[in-house]
Amino acid sequence: GEDVEQSLFLSVREGDSSVINCTYTDSSSTYLYWYKQEPGAGLQLLTYIFSNMDMKQDQRLTVLLNKKDKHLSLRIADTQTGDSAIYFCAEPSGSARQLTFGSGTQLTVLP
Amino acid sequence: GAVVSQHPSRVICKSGTSVKIECRSLDFQATTMFWYRQFPKKSLMLMATSNEGSKATYEQGVEKDKFLINHASLTLSTLTVTSAHPEDSSFYICSARSSRVATYEQYFGPGTRLTVT
Repeated sequence: GEDVEQSLFLSVREGDSSVINCTYTDSSSTYLYWYKQEPGAGLQLLTYIFSNMDMKQDQRLTVLLNKKDKHLSLRIADTQTGDSAIYFCAEPSGSARQLTFGSGTQLTVLP
Repeated sequence: GAVVSQHPSRVICKSGTSVKIECRSLDFQATTMFWYRQFPKKSLMLMATSNEGSKATYEQGVEKDKFLINHASLTLSTLTVTSAHPEDSSFYICSARSSRVATYEQYFGPGTRLTVT
C-alpha cells in the first residue's frame, strides 16, 4: 500500500531556511502536495508539484522532487514565527485518488 | 476561491446523542468530498469518500452505521455521528475536490472539534 513518511519535528531560528523532507511510495503519482496546518485549524494547500517537474518555486517556498528516490522536500526561505505549524506532504492514491498524508512535520520557529 | 466551510466548529454533546456536521464548498462544485478524523498530534485518517448522489465509500474499520454520510448536493456533505460515545471525541475535518480541476488537490474545511461527555 501507499506510505508517505516525514520526520516529526524541525526547529529553526527566525530568518533561517527550513527544509522539510518527505518520502513517498507511489511512483505513478502525477502530483504531490504540501499542506500547512495551524493549531486547531484545517489544512491549507501551500503548493503542489507536477511529477514531470524537478523544482517549483513560489515566493519563499521551493519544492524539490527527486522521482528516482521518491523524495520530496519543501524549503521555506527566511522562516518567520508565523510559519510555525504542522506541514504535511501528500500524494493521491486509491481509486478515488484520495490523498494519502504523511505523519506531518511540526515546524517550530525560534526567535 | 476554493473555500470550504464546516459547521459547527465546536460541539459538546452527551453520550448517546447524535451529532451532525456539515461541510460546504462555498464557491465551487464538489463531486467528491472526503471526511477525515484527526487525533491530537497525529496525521489525518481518512474515514470515507463521499460522492454526490451515491453511497459513501468507507475505509476499513470505519463503521458506516455509526458515521452516516450524506452527499445530497454538489456543495454539501454531512457527517452524522450516531449514538456518540466519549471515544468518538476527535477533530473531524472535511475536504472537497473541485469537479473542474484535474490536479486532485483537496480543499479543507476548518474542522469540527467534537467532545462527547
